[in-house]
Amino acid sequence: EIVLTQSPGTLSLSPGERATLSCRASQSVDSSYFAWYQQKPGQAPRLLIYGASSRATGIPDRFSGSGSGTDFTLSISRLEPEDFAVYYCQQYGRSPVTFGGGTKVEIK
Amino acid sequence: QVQLVESGGGVVQPGRSLRLSCAASGFAFSGYAMHWVRQAPGNGLEWVAVISSDGSNKYYGDSAKGRFTISRDNSKNTLYLQMNSLRAEDTAIYYCSRGPRGYDSHLDYWGQGMLVTVSS
Repeated sequence: EIVLTQSPGTLSLSPGERATLSCRASQSVDSSYFAWYQQKPGQAPRLLIYGASSRATGIPDRFSGSGSGTDFTLSISRLEPEDFAVYYCQQYGRSPVTFGGGTKVEIK
Repeated sequence: QVQLVESGGGVVQPGRSLRLSCAASGFAFSGYAMHWVRQAPGNGLEWVAVISSDGSNKYYGDSAKGRFTISRDNSKNTLYLQMNSLRAEDTAIYYCSRGPRGYDSHLDYWGQGMLVTVSS
């Protein structure tokens, strides 16, 4: 199976700063089959990005995704208070679907 | 609006069975593949299973193979997960989710989750 490794494990930033989250795959992933999710405590995950770079419905344009092959990035241009959460990457191009271990974005 | 509501969770002894349900509304349920994803306490997300829109095809993650069965009733707009021979490591929040692209899909809507605790 494809293992997704997210880094860093925790990102400590202040509101207004830029966040850059990384996800590295153990094998090449078709970028059409790559997604990012946000999860807040006590809530279900929420789809942010699919197809590596397409924003889901209702997602603000401060969120952007990029990457190809084995390296993918989620960027948040200016952190808002509601953006502090855990973020997961997902690949769904090869069975089984796999998720990364998550990056927690916390308030510095 | 799209809604997915899980039910059927709770505390169960090791080796016993449990069936989760997910009631869907707000979209054409019979037109979408549906997935189960779980999350052990304090841990990340683990994909469990997927079923095609008509129920004819099913795929499972390694932890579910041979013990869990995914099914659906399109007349009732409901997704199921039958879990047998439960183990302590199956303790998790179980989410149902919709896959707009079928089996190989991102998951665009999620239920609120249902906690399953396997403990004696």
